[in-house]
Amino acid sequence: DAGVIQSPRHEVTEMGQEVTLRCKPISGHDYLFWYRQTMMRGLELLIYFNNNVPIDDSGMPEDRFSAKMPNASFSTLKIQPSEPRDSAVYFCASSPGQSYGYTFGSGTRLTVV
Amino acid sequence: GENVEQHPSTLSVQEGDSAVIKCTYSDSASNYFPWYKQELGKRPQLIIDIRSNVGEKKDQRIAVTLNKTAKHFSLHITETQPEDSAVYFCAASMGTAGNKLTFGGGTRVLVKP
Repeated sequence: DAGVIQSPRHEVTEMGQEVTLRCKPISGHDYLFWYRQTMMRGLELLIYFNNNVPIDDSGMPEDRFSAKMPNASFSTLKIQPSEPRDSAVYFCASSPGQSYGYTFGSGTRLTVV
Repeated sequence: GENVEQHPSTLSVQEGDSAVIKCTYSDSASNYFPWYKQELGKRPQLIIDIRSNVGEKKDQRIAVTLNKTAKHFSLHITETQPEDSAVYFCAASMGTAGNKLTFGGGTRVLVKP
């Protein structure tokens, strides 16, 4: 298995632009998670899905953030409009079930200027 | 919700010495405790985990102990090597929370040759 695949690896965009991050989880993993990592706040859970259904989106910072999982092999995290404070590394992770560890993707480093 | 505290935030050890990282959690219902290692610019990777029905688990030079009464767990690295230099994260989850992990703030470990 190729692991969790994220794209793009790096994204530089101007403030106000729409940003879409993509994730392909490991086949057979029922859980998908989106995390944001910054030096100041560490690893923050934004949202997670179980069997393609959003379960907990309490970590989504505000309405500018949205996430979808249209099928078991694809998820997107969208920021519209983007702001400089959104600059961070965004990780997608998947897990086969409860009480199992996550496998993280390589992350997307987002810079909003 | 769950709160995980991790100490120390930085740890410097001489090659060959042992390193110990400690975490405490707040929710007594938590039952799964993984540890992740993150090298600079890389993704977090699961290195060891422990479930609440076990008090200790070992894998070569790393071991994890769990004290459910005191609600704390620790990572022990013996015979440290330069390649152990990284940031280590502890985490906790409740199975009833759908595999949602709460991460500690991380410990930056530096192994000096």
